[in-house]
Amino acid sequence: AQKVTQAQTEISVVEKEDVTLDCVYETRDTTYYLFWYKQPPSGELVFLIRRNSFDEQNEISGRYSWNFQKSTSSFNFTITASQVVDSAVYFCALTPGNRDDKIIFGKGTRLHILP
Amino acid sequence: KAGVTQTPRYLIKTRGQQVTLSCSPISGHRSVSWYQQTPGQGLQFLFEYFSETQRNKGNFPGRFSGRQFSNSRSEMNVSTLELGDSALYLCASSLGGGPKRDTQYFGPGTRLTVL
Repeated sequence: AQKVTQAQTEISVVEKEDVTLDCVYETRDTTYYLFWYKQPPSGELVFLIRRNSFDEQNEISGRYSWNFQKSTSSFNFTITASQVVDSAVYFCALTPGNRDDKIIFGKGTRLHILP
Repeated sequence: KAGVTQTPRYLIKTRGQQVTLSCSPISGHRSVSWYQQTPGQGLQFLFEYFSETQRNKGNFPGRFSGRQFSNSRSEMNVSTLELGDSALYLCASSLGGGPKRDTQYFGPGTRLTVL
């Protein structure tokens, strides 16, 4: 079975603090893809990153960084020096790599950045 | 370049009615995917269309259907509406390779309320 778990339902941090959003996935496939999306209050999802299962290198993009660890089936997302504009719901997602393109989303983590 | 547009943005229907939602993808994009977002079930994949053909399908009853036109615009239809169909329906477009290969761009969604 394919499953994505985001155990943190809601997180609040003060602006400029660092915050890590956890994502744990389950799959029996050896090839799969992981994603993070951001959903601001306006509603549309915004793509942040795509990572395939063969690429375990961590990635940094500005204040955003991702830590992919196959050993623990985790794909965590860290925002450094958070800003109020980072307030949103963040979704981690998984898709099997060798069958179809159905995306399985986690329940999301609502992040509040307090000024 | 114009983004993904969805119409209408808000819709109120009563049980038993049917509804049609529309999605216009980004120019040049040939793949359109639909998602349902509810507080209880979260984000769930409905189906994906590519070149006027349904390429992937999620686990939804036959009351949910869709189609894609030659200009890549897509419509989604829900017949015999139930209270549980109340949700935000999101449309996403991509060049054509699916989420594993191409970035998906989401529209703002259609908020459907079933009374």
